Amino acid sequence: TQLLEQSPQFLSIQEGENLTVYCNSSSVFSSLQWYRQEPGEGPVLLVTVVTGGEVKKLKRLTFQFGDARKDSSLHITAAQTGDTGLYLCAGAYSGAGSYQLTFGKGTKLSVIP
Amino acid sequence: SQTIHQWPATLVQPVGSPLSLECTVEGTSNPNLYWYRQAAGRGLQLLFYSIGIDQISSEVPQNLSASRPQDRQFILSSKKLLLSDSGFYLCAWSVSSPQRGFNSPLHFGNGTRLTVT
Repeated sequence: TQLLEQSPQFLSIQEGENLTVYCNSSSVFSSLQWYRQEPGEGPVLLVTVVTGGEVKKLKRLTFQFGDARKDSSLHITAAQTGDTGLYLCAGAYSGAGSYQLTFGKGTKLSVIP
Repeated sequence: SQTIHQWPATLVQPVGSPLSLECTVEGTSNPNLYWYRQAAGRGLQLLFYSIGIDQISSEVPQNLSASRPQDRQFILSSKKLLLSDSGFYLCAWSVSSPQRGFNSPLHFGNGTRLTVT
């Protein structure tokens, strides 16, 4: 079973601060996805990273896939209250007939005005 | 554009009662369909996935079952609910394409909050 560890589990910061959350595993993934989930709603995809070492930017969010494709990070610059939510990473792995992702438990981010 | 509908949004059921949660997808054909359960502090747990009509795979043993009577309809059922069935249930779909494989993102519904009393 492939496991994804996310850290920190909870994070509370002031508006305007920078932050980084991490997603780590001992397994190699073919790709990794990041989702954001708001209370009472389903997760929404932010980005998919595929290549080891890949960096993707989505406005103030920067996503990085580790060179060995075992870990990833999400960095938010100048956090805003709208960034509040649960951030989930999900790793995809190869397996005959397997159509699933392994999700981490998430990082719950609160941005305080 | 593709949309996913999941209902009801909230449900309170007594122990031992039956359950039926429905999910439908519009705007796409032959999607992969999924049922997840999200419990506090435990992340998303895959319960069932389906690659086609009447093709269901179960990921964990439990008293829940799933059915896919139509291409874009996915139903989660139970004959007798347990207290431990309480949780947030999410339906999702992804594109079915051997070329994209696991890089296809999941598109989630807004979930059903189930409380078993």
